[in-house]
Amino acid sequence: GAVVSQHPSWVICKSGTSVKIECRSLDFQATTMFWYRQFPKQSLMLMATSNEGSKATYEQGVEKDKFLINHASLTLSTLTVTSAHPEDSSFYICSARDGSRGRNSPLHFGNGTRLTVT
Amino acid sequence: GESVGLHLPTLSVQEGDNSIINCAYSNSASDYFIWYKQESGKGPQFIIDIRSNMDKRQGQRVTVLLNKTVKHLSLQIAATQPGDSAVYFCAEILNRDDKIIFGKGTRLHILP
Repeated sequence: GAVVSQHPSWVICKSGTSVKIECRSLDFQATTMFWYRQFPKQSLMLMATSNEGSKATYEQGVEKDKFLINHASLTLSTLTVTSAHPEDSSFYICSARDGSRGRNSPLHFGNGTRLTVT
Repeated sequence: GESVGLHLPTLSVQEGDNSIINCAYSNSASDYFIWYKQESGKGPQFIIDIRSNMDKRQGQRVTVLLNKTVKHLSLQIAATQPGDSAVYFCAEILNRDDKIIFGKGTRLHILP
């Protein structure tokens, strides 16, 4: 089955530093990847849509300069949380759709990254 | 974000009984729906999907029902097992774009 690998699974960083999270599709090509954020006991909130070879599309209220997204290849998207603050602490989850299956196909999710900013 | 849940509702079901988890989706223009299962500390896992031209679809131990008139989706799990304990999310794709938007989620708790 389609596998999405997300790394790291958890990270602790100090305020003011930047953290990069990687999302890889291991056995399929993903022209589009999605980044979600999830607070405890809440649903997944879409942050941005990452398109291979072009700029990401951010949801309303998500700061694009704070959450930098790069989708340099058909199998890799990265999310960089810049100048992290404690309020950025959250569970970040990436997902990808198999580009060969079209839009009406399920997203495959990574196992998330638990970010804690101290 | 377009969908943020607050304080997930919990459904407690006796092991072996059937579970029904409900979801109200937001957009009448959505044409594809998915149920995901999320265990603690993990990403969502695909369970079953359904297109808007269908009203029922069955998988192994799971059935999804779609009522477009009232914008309602349900997930039925037959003979629930301890491993079914998780948070279940419905998700919809808006036909104007590729985004998958998640509903609020329901925590399923299996009683021994």
